[in-house]
Amino acid sequence: DSGVTQTPKHLITATGQRVTLRCSPRSGDLSVYWYQQSLDQGLQFLIQYYNGEERAKGNILERFSAQQFPDLHSELNLSSLELGDSALYFCASKEGVVGAPNEQFFGPGTRLTVL
Amino acid sequence: AQKVTQAQTEISVVEKEDVTLDCVYETRDTTYYLFWYKQPPSGELVFLIRRNSFDEQNEISGRYSWNFQKSTSSFNFTITASQVVDSAVYFCALSEAKDGGSQGNLIFGKGTKLSVKP
Repeated sequence: DSGVTQTPKHLITATGQRVTLRCSPRSGDLSVYWYQQSLDQGLQFLIQYYNGEERAKGNILERFSAQQFPDLHSELNLSSLELGDSALYFCASKEGVVGAPNEQFFGPGTRLTVL
Repeated sequence: AQKVTQAQTEISVVEKEDVTLDCVYETRDTTYYLFWYKQPPSGELVFLIRRNSFDEQNEISGRYSWNFQKSTSSFNFTITASQVVDSAVYFCALSEAKDGGSQGNLIFGKGTKLSVKP
């Protein structure tokens, strides 16, 4: 158990809908990262937050957004869902300051299926 | 551009065989970090090791060992006397350390699926 929690574990929805994925980092970790794992794209970095502020963006679509709240949990919002958004979405957290060479610990992931 | 290449898509071995998973990376930074993660069939990503670019010392942890060679931009992972429980997808990843910008996010290879048969 990495200490990172993600809810829900599974999510099935229809095209055009909007969903919210939730992540609680390990106690004390200030950085939260979101990754998408799909069969065709592999594991891709989406976005990073550090202590409530956005710090880096990767291959995140405009239909997707995220935020980190004062209690440090984070939410990833996916809207106008398409079939191609079906994937496993991971949240990871890391202690210490941004750029420090600490490892990221991953949550169990949320499997999103868009029908 | 930063890139991680795991040329081996799938490897199948028989239990107790040794197996090496290859990882080649590209980066322009002089300071960077390399990682290996394991993804068992259950789906979670499990951290195995982090190596700093300024530390080329190889590391051994039980049946696992890692060989880091800056000259060839490689960070290979060897499992000695493989076991069925080692069956998983293994990912090599790179993280660069820069001021500002994308600090700390991981760039993953495509992964190598290892199947260990009894």
